[in-house]
Amino acid sequence: GAGVSQSPSNKVTEKGKDVELRCDPISGHTALYWYRQSLGQGLEFLIYFQGNSAPDKSGLPSDRFSAERTGGSVSTLTIQRTQQEDSAVYLCASSIKAGVIYNEQFFGPGTRLTVL
Amino acid sequence: AQKITQTQPGMFVQEKEAVTLDCTYDTSDQSYGLFWYKQPSSGEMIFLIYQGSYDEQNATEGRYSLNFQKARKSANLVISASQLGDSAMYFCAMRRYNTDKLIFGTGTRLQVFP
Repeated sequence: GAGVSQSPSNKVTEKGKDVELRCDPISGHTALYWYRQSLGQGLEFLIYFQGNSAPDKSGLPSDRFSAERTGGSVSTLTIQRTQQEDSAVYLCASSIKAGVIYNEQFFGPGTRLTVL
Repeated sequence: AQKITQTQPGMFVQEKEAVTLDCTYDTSDQSYGLFWYKQPSSGEMIFLIYQGSYDEQNATEGRYSLNFQKARKSANLVISASQLGDSAMYFCAMRRYNTDKLIFGTGTRLQVFP
């Protein structure tokens, strides 16, 4: 079956602009995660969604970052007023269900964001 | 705070040889999970193997095995019979029992040469 898909694969934007990154999880997966991978910070957790529960936003670095998940499927990560330090690869992952420790997370190919 | 440490930024191994990638972790939790992921140059994270803190036996998945030493808080990945396609970044990660976020180490770049 299809894996996690993300769009766009690459995004170049100017400092101060808003960007939206999209993630399509594996069908049937109820948990969805966003991570960021940058040279300086490595792989960092940003936010995760589980079904209709309130998301865990504890990893969002500032209030310029937000995410939503519509209909329990597709998720959009929005970064407002982008800064150069936001440049990174944004990875989305999904798993069958959150709260089960051995459930592996399946990752998408990522969106490479470059802020000029 | 939870932390994952991978002390080897880069490793070289000859094809068909075995290689061990080190991972140590720091947690006061009793229940947690440990994961290894592979990230080829294409960028996608590929799950390799999982070890639960209460699992008595070391996990194995094909050519991958996890050398789990709970008292030493280490979870080293062993790749047997290395292949050229094993060249990639390898990340160790931990997940606490009461949360779904993965905490990653800084990774080890493995290069397999003929």
